[in-house]
Amino acid sequence: AQSVTQLGSHVSVSEGALVLLRCNYSSSVPPYLFWYVQYPNQGLQLLLKYTSAATLVKGINGFEAEFKKSETSFHLTKPSAHMSDAAEYFCAVSEESQGAQKLVFGQGTRLTINP
Amino acid sequence: GAVVSQHPSRVICKSGTSVKIECRSLDFQATTMFWYRQFPKQSLMLMATSNEGSKATYEQGVEKDKFLINHASLTLSTLTVTSAHPEDSSFYICSARGVETQYFGPGTRLLVL
Repeated sequence: AQSVTQLGSHVSVSEGALVLLRCNYSSSVPPYLFWYVQYPNQGLQLLLKYTSAATLVKGINGFEAEFKKSETSFHLTKPSAHMSDAAEYFCAVSEESQGAQKLVFGQGTRLTINP
Repeated sequence: GAVVSQHPSRVICKSGTSVKIECRSLDFQATTMFWYRQFPKQSLMLMATSNEGSKATYEQGVEKDKFLINHASLTLSTLTVTSAHPEDSSFYICSARGVETQYFGPGTRLLVL
């Protein structure tokens, strides 16, 4: 079975600083990888996805992630944090099952932005 | 992007009653929808996969007689929590399968007293 590990349940950075959220996955087949953001009491919004095309994926709100097969990683970055980036971030890997795109989520990382 | 809605957004019910949550894909057809459960400060756990016109597929440990899922049309799936108990209190989120991704609803907060 595929799995996702997010290192650090809580990350705190200053406004304007680099954001780095770590995600490692395990998969026996080429994976589809996703980053989602969740604001309080809301559903999940897709930030970006990797679907075996370019290894550097650009998403919304200035976020990007790089797929590194050798490291089985898909870390999320943003050059300059903004206060509005404060939220919960989830990394997920797709697992083809019965023809459906079943997602397996990491534990989540809460991002706090300090003024 | 694709829009998925959920109704209600919040519900409070008494123990022993049943609660129905609707999940709708507003601008696309979804042959497959998913139901997740999220406990406070935890990740999403897949409960079941809902397929239009057929029975849902439940994850291990999820009681199918307690969490009834119906996917009667290409734009609507419903989750009914039957005989709800306080331990069923949670945040329930649905998603609809699109092209190479899932689109999530805003979630439903269920509180069982």
